[in-house]
Amino acid sequence: GQNIDQPTEMTATEGAIVQINCTYQTSGFNGLFWYQQHAGEAPTFLSYNVLDGLEEKGRFSSFLSRSKGYSYLLLKELQMKDSASYLCAVRSSGAGSYQLTFGKGTKLSVIP
Amino acid sequence: GAGVSQSPRYKVAKRGQDVALRCDPISGHVSLFWYQQALGQGPEFLTYFQNEAQLDKSGLPSDRFFAERPEGSVSTLKIQRTQQEDSAVYLCASSSDTSARTDTQYFGPGTRLTVL
Repeated sequence: GQNIDQPTEMTATEGAIVQINCTYQTSGFNGLFWYQQHAGEAPTFLSYNVLDGLEEKGRFSSFLSRSKGYSYLLLKELQMKDSASYLCAVRSSGAGSYQLTFGKGTKLSVIP
Repeated sequence: GAGVSQSPRYKVAKRGQDVALRCDPISGHVSLFWYQQALGQGPEFLTYFQNEAQLDKSGLPSDRFFAERPEGSVSTLKIQRTQQEDSAVYLCASSSDTSARTDTQYFGPGTRLTVL
């Protein structure tokens, strides 16, 4: 089975940097995704990691350590529009590997 | 179309009614997924289609839930005899990869179902 843990809520200041952590236990691993979801809207794709290391994309970076079952999403130069829920999701390998298993999401509030 | 679309966006049903939720995936996308998202939770997998074939329905919570994609594009999720615990947002996602093993899933805005 799958188990994905991430903090429920975080608060950060506009212009600052915030790191959202995600730990997972899985019977197989075939990639980790981060999605952003504003209230009442669709989850939108942010990043994908399948190998260890850091993936950088503009103000967003995502890190993966497969041996530790650990990932983080780093948001730089925070803007008010970054207030949203951030979902960590794992795709497993093997049978039924197509679906994503999501954490409960981290609600980020950016304050002035 | 430009993205995944779903209709209706909101649905209110009385307990015991049947409902049908529609998903239009991104044009040309082979793989289609349905997820259920309860308030304050992450999405949970319901079922997966590759073209018209339903390859995985392990996440459907009961036999009241039924999904189809008869022509390999538009999909419908049907819930029979709705119960209050069915109240949730139902998300549809599509991806272009034929195996969906490596490709990114793109989500629609969801249908918020409220069962009274």
